[in-house]
Amino acid sequence: SQTIHQWPATLVQPVGSPLSLECTVEGTSNPNLYWYRQAAGRGLQLLFYSVGIGQISSEVPQNLSASRPQDRQFILSSKKLLLSDSGFYLCAWSHNTEAFFGQGTRLTVV
Amino acid sequence: AQSVTQLDSQVPVFEEAPVELRCNYSSSVSVYLFWYVQYPNQGLQLLLKYLSGSTLVKGINGFEAEFNKSQTSFHLRKPSVHISDTAEYFCAVRRVPNSGGSNYKLTFGKGTLLTVNP
Repeated sequence: SQTIHQWPATLVQPVGSPLSLECTVEGTSNPNLYWYRQAAGRGLQLLFYSVGIGQISSEVPQNLSASRPQDRQFILSSKKLLLSDSGFYLCAWSHNTEAFFGQGTRLTVV
Repeated sequence: AQSVTQLDSQVPVFEEAPVELRCNYSSSVSVYLFWYVQYPNQGLQLLLKYLSGSTLVKGINGFEAEFNKSQTSFHLRKPSVHISDTAEYFCAVRRVPNSGGSNYKLTFGKGTLLTVNP
């Protein structure tokens, strides 16, 4: 069966520090991969999606970037965090129908 | 482009009462429809999905939803809720493959917080 791993579960980082969140998928190949951010009361905002290795589409201009170095690995990064980057980050994968989500990372920028 | 409107941001109900969470969507092409549940500080879990066929879809935890194409709605229902159903619920749509344009993205509503009180 397919599983998705996302880590860390929580993270507290100072303003201006770098960020790296990692997501890996097991049990499937060539998945579509997604990074979402969830702010309180604002639903899910799609940040990036990828349909293949090295292929990244950005949905909103921001302080973040994404990379897909391997088929089942998706990384969210920042060189310098802002206070506004705080939130709950969710990784997901799909093929042609539903998406499956990781457990999320609670990021607090202080 | 697709859009999803969840008409209620919060729905408080008493335990064992019925509940309906409303979802309307807009799309110029055929779509798949989903309901997800999110418990605090967790990821989203799929409750049910409509891909094709019968418009009444049954999911996990006793939930069901009905696809109404003419009203572009996909409301979620449960005849008797439990305290453990307290969570946030998200409706989502996705273009059917080969319907025109990219179908990579799921579009989510802003969520409905269901609070079940004793």
